[in-house]
Amino acid sequence: NAGVTQTPKFRVLKTGQSMTLLCAQDMNHEYMYWYRQDPGMGLRLIHYSVGEGTTAKGEVPDGYNVSRLKKQNFLLGLESAAPSQTSVYFCASRPGQVKSYEQYFGPGTRLTVT
Amino acid sequence: KQEVTQIPAALSVPEGENLVLNCSFTDSAIYNLQWFRQDPGKGLTSLLLIQSSQREQTSGRLNASLDKSSGRSTLYIAASQPGDSATYLCAVLPFNAGGTSYGKLTFGQGTILTVHP
Repeated sequence: NAGVTQTPKFRVLKTGQSMTLLCAQDMNHEYMYWYRQDPGMGLRLIHYSVGEGTTAKGEVPDGYNVSRLKKQNFLLGLESAAPSQTSVYFCASRPGQVKSYEQYFGPGTRLTVT
Repeated sequence: KQEVTQIPAALSVPEGENLVLNCSFTDSAIYNLQWFRQDPGKGLTSLLLIQSSQREQTSGRLNASLDKSSGRSTLYIAASQPGDSATYLCAVLPFNAGGTSYGKLTFGQGTILTVHP
């Protein structure tokens, strides 16, 4: 099993450019999450999804959009990148409500906005 | 709002020492607490998960305890090794109103551990 994968691993954007980060999981998990990690801030939840076709806002959703068209994929979009969005982005997934609460994380995407 | 604090922010110890990492949280209404390890430039690896009804979990040289009433957890690492050098993060899973939880973890800032030979 590949687990949780993220593409791309690295990206440099100019202010105002757009991009989409892809998260894929092969564990048939219901729930998926996008976090950002900044120095001294820990991980903060951006958006999450509790099933195919559903999305919800997390702690820091502004400037991001998400989609979950297929159960195995969770996309994070930046429509107009800003330097404040320079961060490391992590995707995670876990089984649904009645099963294990353990979250499984991807390797991260390092994004720099200049 | 749940807040999670980890102390110390950084720790450097010689190989072989036993050490304790601390995690505190402000709201005791949690489903569980999870300890993660993060190597530089890598993702998070789950080390131990303690359910709210449990007091501790053990895996090899790691032991995590949970005192929900006081809002504290500790991660004990026995006989530390240079390979233990990493950032250790704790995260709590809040208890949502209505008894459901969508797995929205709240993380601490992490403790950077360096074990030198």
